[in-house]
Amino acid sequence: EAGVTQSPTHLIKTRGQQATLRCSPISGHTSVYWYQQALGLGLQFLLWYDEGEERNRGNFPPRFSGRQFPNYSSELNVNALELEDSALYLCASSLGNLGQGGEQYFGPGTRLTVT
Amino acid sequence: RKEVEQDPGPFNVPEGATVAFNCTYSNSASQSFFWYRQDCRKEPKLLMSVYSSGNEDGRFTAQLNRASQYISLLIRDSKLSDSATYLCVVRFNTGGFKTIFGAGTRLFVKA
Repeated sequence: EAGVTQSPTHLIKTRGQQATLRCSPISGHTSVYWYQQALGLGLQFLLWYDEGEERNRGNFPPRFSGRQFPNYSSELNVNALELEDSALYLCASSLGNLGQGGEQYFGPGTRLTVT
Repeated sequence: RKEVEQDPGPFNVPEGATVAFNCTYSNSASQSFFWYRQDCRKEPKLLMSVYSSGNEDGRFTAQLNRASQYISLLIRDSKLSDSATYLCVVRFNTGGFKTIFGAGTRLFVKA
């Protein structure tokens, strides 16, 4: 069974540009989560999508946005990039509602570098 | 105060040693608890869930203390392959389940 996939693996942008990161969940998983992991810091929750809708959002500015497509894949968009946005962006998926104790499976991440 | 706090380490231990990590959480309404393992430049992977009664998986034992709001992970007979960062994870419901990851504790097991 294929795991969570993310693209691109690496992304280099300059300050002020926009970045688009993509994630495909495990087949059958309906929930997708986005996390930011800056160097030396823990995973910071960004967004949760389930069944095409945004269910929860972390403490990030509105320039971090995303969407989930009918096939449950997801896109994270970061507008007006700042140097501090440089980080590893991890996507995870789960089968249904995590409130039922489900496990999150992570993709390999996209390393975003803003210069 | 951070919602989930861990000692960042690093913990440097010899092979065969027993090592324990603690993690404290601030939200008393937290409902689910996990330990994840993250190898260098890799994605986190679930190591084990933590149950109220405590649970064991081979050399790994997890404990939950709701009264003091902390969870622990004990690794017995450490192996070189146990070298990684261990992430404490807490989940609670705030009108939508929220998962908080600790910053992780780094473990180096030496030969």
